[in-house]
Amino acid sequence: QVQLQESGPGLVKPSQTLSLICTVSGGSISSGGYYWSWIRQLPGKGLEWIGYIYYSGGASYNPSLKSRVTISVDTSKNQFSLKLSSVTAADTAVYYCARDAHDYGEGVDYWGQGTLVTVSS
Amino acid sequence: DIQMTQSPSSLSASVGDRVTITCRASQSISSNYLNWYQQEPGKAPKLLIYAASSLQTGVPSRFSGSGSGTDFTLTISSLQPEDFATYYCQQTYITPPWTFGQGTKVEIK
Repeated sequence: QVQLQESGPGLVKPSQTLSLICTVSGGSISSGGYYWSWIRQLPGKGLEWIGYIYYSGGASYNPSLKSRVTISVDTSKNQFSLKLSSVTAADTAVYYCARDAHDYGEGVDYWGQGTLVTVSS
Repeated sequence: DIQMTQSPSSLSASVGDRVTITCRASQSISSNYLNWYQQEPGKAPKLLIYAASSLQTGVPSRFSGSGSGTDFTLTISSLQPEDFATYYCQQTYITPPWTFGQGTKVEIK
């Protein structure tokens, strides 16, 4: 059973960089076939796809956030991470890491529990 | 980007009711890349259906999906107390960005 767990600061100041790590257990990021994703949910709102990374390092980002987002992977630690720069209050959200199985014709089949990140001074 | 529009945004129903939620894509997408999720309050979304009509392992058979092209449907044949939640469709067609519908909240009548 694959499990994902987000970790990182719950409070970030405006203009700073939001940094989160997702630790994967029960499966190897390096096994291939899956895309390791970040998805966020603004308070009381719907889901927004931020981007994903493949174990080899290739990444894709939402154009609406692309200039501020970096997703990276550390296969030795079975982790992947999110950095979102120049944050504002509009970036306050629950951030989920997840496994995307679209290459298998499936959806996002495993999710972390989510972590609330508040942007405030 | 492909826009996904769900209707209704919310609905009230009783236990035992048949419930239908619609998702419309702004352009034709392969049914292989349309997914449905259930999200209970305070929890992460859960994959219910992938490829428009394939039931994820462990999901009750009262859930079903159908559709093709631009129009897709999620049906709950007999609503149970644990089904009161918000439901989202998502497309993962060809190239990112993946997009979600705005959600449909199913409430108790």
